[in-house]
Amino acid sequence: DVKVTQSSRYLVKRTGEKVFLECVQDMDHENMFWYRQDPGLGLRLIYFSYDVKMKEKGDIPEGYSVSREKKERFSLILESASTNQTSMYLCASSPGTIYGYTFGSGTRLTVV
Amino acid sequence: AQSVTQLGSHVSVSEGALVLLRCNYSSSVPPYLFWYVQYPNQGLQLLLKYTSAATLVKGINGFEAEFKKSETSFHLTKPSAHMSDAAEYFCAVTLPWGLTGGGNKLTFGTGTQLKVEL
Repeated sequence: DVKVTQSSRYLVKRTGEKVFLECVQDMDHENMFWYRQDPGLGLRLIYFSYDVKMKEKGDIPEGYSVSREKKERFSLILESASTNQTSMYLCASSPGTIYGYTFGSGTRLTVV
Repeated sequence: AQSVTQLGSHVSVSEGALVLLRCNYSSSVPPYLFWYVQYPNQGLQLLLKYTSAATLVKGINGFEAEFKKSETSFHLTKPSAHMSDAAEYFCAVTLPWGLTGGGNKLTFGTGTQLKVEL
């Protein structure tokens, strides 16, 4: 089975800190995605990537950046964490549209 | 742009009763549609998908969904609910690769929390 691993299940960070969320997939998928999940809002796309060193903005990219230096790793960066970025962050990968996504277990980030 | 609407943020059923979770989509062209399930403190798991083959799609754990173009719907059903079905369910839509606004991005609904009571 494809595995998508997010490095942390729970994180607590202070306002203004630079935060790195790491995601690694083990099935050579070209496509990787970062979503945030908030109650009543469902999943909202932050950034995605179709290939190494390639990135595209999703629906809510403000306050975030990403890095994809290797095919298997897609990092989400909060340049200066704020309390409104407290959320569940979900990483996913996919080999193509018709297959859907495989998700990681999520990182619950709290910014205090 | 394509979108999905899930009617009912919370649904409660008795164990053994029919489960019906509603999803309506909006798309200018025939879309691909997905249902995912999320158990507490976990990521999302694919239940089933419609990718323009058979309109009645069977998934894992006894769930199925029917694509109805005339109603722009893709409702999720299960004949008999089990306690283990209690979870949050998400409908998602995308367009086939190469079509405008498609690529490989999934757009998710806001989710339906299913509660199963004894």
